[in-house]
Amino acid sequence: DAKTTQPTSMDCAEGRAANLPCNHSTISGNEYVYWYRQIHSQGPQYIIHGLKNNETNEMASLIITEDRKSSTLILPHATLRDTAVYYCIVVKAAGNKLTFGGGTRVLVKP
Amino acid sequence: DAGITQSPRYKITETGRQVTLMCHQTWSHSYMFWYRQDLGHGLRLIYYSAAADITDKGEVPDGYVVSRSKTENFPLTLESATRSQTSVYFCASGRVGYEQYFGPGTRLTVT
Repeated sequence: DAKTTQPTSMDCAEGRAANLPCNHSTISGNEYVYWYRQIHSQGPQYIIHGLKNNETNEMASLIITEDRKSSTLILPHATLRDTAVYYCIVVKAAGNKLTFGGGTRVLVKP
Repeated sequence: DAGITQSPRYKITETGRQVTLMCHQTWSHSYMFWYRQDLGHGLRLIYYSAAADITDKGEVPDGYVVSRSKTENFPLTLESATRSQTSVYFCASGRVGYEQYFGPGTRLTVT
């Protein structure tokens, strides 16, 4: 599976949009971009995933560049409960194994 | 209740003891996974299973044994616990090609 690169940490103001970047320059055509988050001491939680089109659900939006080498997770209105470590993971189609990197530690401040 | 559960949630054991961590899911997902997370680090895959009676090694399988006789259960056994196996263990399940759902974790301390 392709490797991903994320910033180690970032702060965000409550109520503002949080934009989390992820670089996956070696991604293959049959690999998806998945985002999970882990709130302190809890199991990781699935957020969203995409192949090449932008995706949106009730939690977030995922913007994937046209060349698929990078993506951005957008939390439209960050709340204090969004403070967590966010993991960007590339997964083969029809595959399931997740390889977690260090993720981005997001701190939402009041 | 539907979902994925792990037991025990906390366990303290001594070096050399055998300990089994349990994982149960009610969705009938074909895939199940075991990860470990050491303090301050990301999760690493220990073992996974694509279906009942089908298991395979992940990134860090040494010292662990798994079995899957029923679709809903995926126990993880440490045959002879070592201090280096002190960690938080997460079980997950999912359908092929879809997201994984994680349990609440088991915090294991080996003294």
